Amino acid sequence: EAQVTQNPRYLITVTGKKLTVTCSQNMNHEYMSWYRQDPGLGLRQIYYSMNVEVTDKGDVPEGYKVSRKEKRNFPLILESPSPNQTSLYFCASSRTVGTGELFFGEGSRLTVL
Amino acid sequence: AQSVSQHNHHVILSEAASLELGCNYSYGGTVNLFWYVQYPGQHLQLLLKYFSGDPLVKGIKGFEAEFIKSKFSFNLRKPSVQWSDTAEYFCAVNGWANNLFFGTGTRLTVIP
Repeated sequence: EAQVTQNPRYLITVTGKKLTVTCSQNMNHEYMSWYRQDPGLGLRQIYYSMNVEVTDKGDVPEGYKVSRKEKRNFPLILESPSPNQTSLYFCASSRTVGTGELFFGEGSRLTVL
Repeated sequence: AQSVSQHNHHVILSEAASLELGCNYSYGGTVNLFWYVQYPGQHLQLLLKYFSGDPLVKGIKGFEAEFIKSKFSFNLRKPSVQWSDTAEYFCAVNGWANNLFFGTGTRLTVIP
């Protein structure tokens, strides 16, 4: 089954404790992207990747890191989480960005205390 | 800067009412246009898309959208909404910067 898998789905952590949200897709998609969703602000892009070893900043990259060492994986790293990073995070992938047909993961709800 | 605007933040309708959600973008070049839907507690799913050709596109569940190039708009419509259409709707545009940009979303509440 074609899917985008994120882990963990729910996480409560404390300020400053490094964490990684994993994202994996099994569709051999080139394009992957991370978004955060906050009430009233919609979906904001954090980072995206056109292909392996190619990543670029989205609208709100501060406080986040990503890597794309393999085509299927695109982890989101919070080196020193802060309470303003409490949010719902979505990973998405697409065959190419031009198609715009994104497949989304189920979301990861992160709370930073 | 290029942007995508959804001016309706929250729309409340009774069942069987007609729906139109606005989406405008600010870019004069060629664009691909999309509407995504997010049902409560779920992730986003593609509702419909426009790449070229007939500016009136039909999607799943009776939704349609019309691309009006002169107005930089891609409004979503449905003749008769159902309670199950309660969801958040996002317009997205791919054109500049070879990336996909989302509007802030419109929350639709359908009252039975």
